[in-house]
Amino acid sequence: EAGVAQSPRYKIIEKRQSVAFWCNPISGHATLYWYQQILGQGPKLLIQFQNNGVVDDSQLPKDRFSAERLKGVDSTLKIQPAKLEDSAVYLCASSTGPNTEAFFGQGTRLTVV
Amino acid sequence: DAKTTQPPSMDCAEGRAANLPCNHSTISGNEYVYWYRQIHSQGPQYIIHGLKNNETNEMASLIITEDRKSSTLILPHATLRDTAVYYCIVRAERYRDDKIIFGKGTRLHILP
Repeated sequence: EAGVAQSPRYKIIEKRQSVAFWCNPISGHATLYWYQQILGQGPKLLIQFQNNGVVDDSQLPKDRFSAERLKGVDSTLKIQPAKLEDSAVYLCASSTGPNTEAFFGQGTRLTVV
Repeated sequence: DAKTTQPPSMDCAEGRAANLPCNHSTISGNEYVYWYRQIHSQGPQYIIHGLKNNETNEMASLIITEDRKSSTLILPHATLRDTAVYYCIVRAERYRDDKIIFGKGTRLHILP
């Protein structure tokens, strides 16, 4: 079974630039999560989708972050404009539904300089 | 916020059992205990979960106290590859309340 695919693996941008991350969940997984993990901390949930609807985006900084999940499959997370404090690993995960095992991708490491 | 408390770090000798404690004193009746681990530079990996009975799989055992206020993850024969950060997470059963909220976890060092 193919895992959760994320791209790119690494990205370096200057502050005030924009960046987008892509996630392809495991086929058939209805729930998709985006997390931000700052060095030395646990992953922080940014947004959770159920199919193409948003279940929770309470921790998403909506003035600069946006996410979409068109057709309930792939998802993109965008930051515009980026700040230095956005430097982190952005993790995508998917699961078949509530209270089931979630599978995580390798993450995208973002460095804002 | 995470509903669990874990020690920040632990050491365990290779080949011995690693016992990782977790406190979840405010757990509700419909909430499950999940364990994930994160090896350096990788995404978190599911280990095991349970509601009130003890559980065992090929990776680990999960012991939940009778009052469900705490649990212990047991890695029966720790190897160097088990060095990772281990996260204990409480998850609700109903999907509107089901969020995977990570705390700070326990950094487990397996010593050769």
